Amino acid sequence: QKEVEQNSGPLSVPEGAIASLNCTYSDRGSQSFFWYRQYSGKSPELIMFIYSNGDKEDGRFTAQLNKASQYVSLLIRDSQPSDSATYLCAVVQETSGSRLTFGEGTQLTVNP
Amino acid sequence: EPEVTQTPSHQVTQMGQEVILRCVPISNHLYFYWYRQILGQKVEFLVSFYNNEISEKSEIFDDQFSVERPDGSNFTLKIRSTKLEDSAMYFCASTPGERPPGTFGSGTRLTVV
Repeated sequence: QKEVEQNSGPLSVPEGAIASLNCTYSDRGSQSFFWYRQYSGKSPELIMFIYSNGDKEDGRFTAQLNKASQYVSLLIRDSQPSDSATYLCAVVQETSGSRLTFGEGTQLTVNP
Repeated sequence: EPEVTQTPSHQVTQMGQEVILRCVPISNHLYFYWYRQILGQKVEFLVSFYNNEISEKSEIFDDQFSVERPDGSNFTLKIRSTKLEDSAMYFCASTPGERPPGTFGSGTRLTVV
């Protein structure tokens, strides 16, 4: 079982739609969860982090965490072509200090 | 806005050669990290460094790898005897406290031939 699992996609949505990206993790003791965006050939950049169960909103982005189901998601509202990128889910597991364990990423394409 | 800088952007080396990848972290940051990403694969943690010591390292970071902060500004990753499978993008990051990085440097693409 992969430590952090994401659908590789590609996920394609029309401009203005909601994009939903999902991630599951295996370490039940994981405490913090992160979403990074990575444009092709570029380095990852942090979009959001979430520590507590429930929703966390930041502009067009909403992160959702369900620790009981070991599931974290990212919603992007009013998707724009500039949102087209690979979205990386990352987890800090219980036994690590600040070490990120990444999923393989979901490639999102927003079509104009 | 301050940023982490990495040099070179691309390095080609022959198998068995030593390489040093260089990073200039954000000033006043205390924690430093190296991650790598093999083409088409996930980003993987290599090592974290604090107070001139390795604070955590992954299974990838074997005896062929070492890190150093040779002066007050640089943070380097050395690979002693490169293998073909070391070909990857290497990302450096820094943080003021012990927490995952928000941003990474632009990366060094290492190609071992």
